Amino acid sequence: EVQLLESGGDLVQPGGSLRLSCAASGLTFSSLGMSWVRQIPGKGLEWVSSISNIGGSGSPTYYVDSVKGRFTISRDDSKNTLYLQMNSLGADDTAVYHCVSGRLRFHYWGQGILVTVSS
Amino acid sequence: AIQLTQSPSSLSASVGDRVTITCRASQGVSSALVWYQQKPGKAPKLLIYDASTLDSGVPSRFSGSGSGTDFTLTISSLQPEDFATYYCQQFNIYPLTFGGGTKVEIK
Repeated sequence: EVQLLESGGDLVQPGGSLRLSCAASGLTFSSLGMSWVRQIPGKGLEWVSSISNIGGSGSPTYYVDSVKGRFTISRDDSKNTLYLQMNSLGADDTAVYHCVSGRLRFHYWGQGILVTVSS
Repeated sequence: AIQLTQSPSSLSASVGDRVTITCRASQGVSSALVWYQQKPGKAPKLLIYDASTLDSGVPSRFSGSGSGTDFTLTISSLQPEDFATYYCQQFNIYPLTFGGGTKVEIK
């Protein structure tokens, strides 16, 4: 059974930072592109970032414009873990963040982790 | 960025009804389109990819069609477990984008 388990969500003040983690199991993590998709509770879905499956520091990465320069996606294939480093957080970043398998289309989804940006 | 416009944004239907949801792209995306189903409190589930290919385990009452800018998700005979919100998503070009969603409710 495929499991994607997010962690690291929290209440953070505007301008603060958080790092989300996603522990993957039941799939060949190193062979898959991975992504983060967020959803404001009660609202629609927004793609945030994707990383290819090349591995190491050379994996191509992609970001939605609104997070470029603030968020960094990375992966550790030895730990089957995906990360999202989020800096300079603002109220607009408040959402449930889902870890998803795939770089283009998303087959497996984690249940999501809530990030709240508020003073 | 490519905008995806879904219509309707919500609909009421009865069990057994045929339901059609449309997704229109602001520019052509070839067949690089996916449909997801999301139930309250749950993560989205992939239903159809490449515009018309049913994912493994998805009931055959679901079908997808279209290419370029106009796409359709059809449920041939609505079942109680189909009441949910449906999203389209294009993966032809970054940034990847989703439609606003269509909520299918019980009449």
